[in-house]
Amino acid sequence: QVQLVQSGAEVKKPGASVKVSCKASGYTFTSYHMHWARQAPGQGLEWLGIINPSGGTTSYEQKFQGRVTITRDASTSTVYMELSSLRSEDTAIYYCARAGNNHFDYWGQGTLVTVSS
Amino acid sequence: QSALTQPRSVSGSPGQSVTISCTGTSSDVGGYNYVSWYQQHPGKAPKVMIYDVSKRPSGVPDRFSGSKSGNTASLTISGLQAEDEADYYCCSYGGRFNWVFGGGTKLTVL
Repeated sequence: QVQLVQSGAEVKKPGASVKVSCKASGYTFTSYHMHWARQAPGQGLEWLGIINPSGGTTSYEQKFQGRVTITRDASTSTVYMELSSLRSEDTAIYYCARAGNNHFDYWGQGTLVTVSS
Repeated sequence: QSALTQPRSVSGSPGQSVTISCTGTSSDVGGYNYVSWYQQHPGKAPKVMIYDVSKRPSGVPDRFSGSKSGNTASLTISGLQAEDEADYYCCSYGGRFNWVFGGGTKLTVL
């Protein structure tokens, strides 16, 4: 069965960077793009970007251009999302989600990133 | 890209039907048949309920249906049940490999 398992919660100081991982299993890793989205406390979902695990090409929400980097390691079927220059507004649960047929068909369990001085 | 517009809350009694709207622009909702809907219970990850405007994934009850007219998509839940109480989010492809979510709607089953 398809599983996306994300890394654990993080606490970071303003200005620092965070890197969250998402390990995929149960399907051919390179056959499906992977999205990243986030959800601030009590707020809605916000799309961050997407990666093609086959070639590594990416596309990012314009708002996060220059601050977010999505990469992959095909040898371990893992996708990474790094967000830099963190500020308090980046405190959120970050999700990876597989891109199946133009929608988000499987989701990771989420990773809480807290930005606090 | 601006978030799609959803009502903040809707409510209905068990057995009734409710419809949640999702309004975008001709660059997203109106431009592609790639609207999906997600159900999220507190503390859980979202779950897809509808994709490609009106398709239901395996395992989703046929009480859930989707449609689209112009720049507005809709999710209808018929025969409301207590377990349908959750937050619902729409999402649309916005072109050039970008996606956009709606602000979310809280469904209360009275």
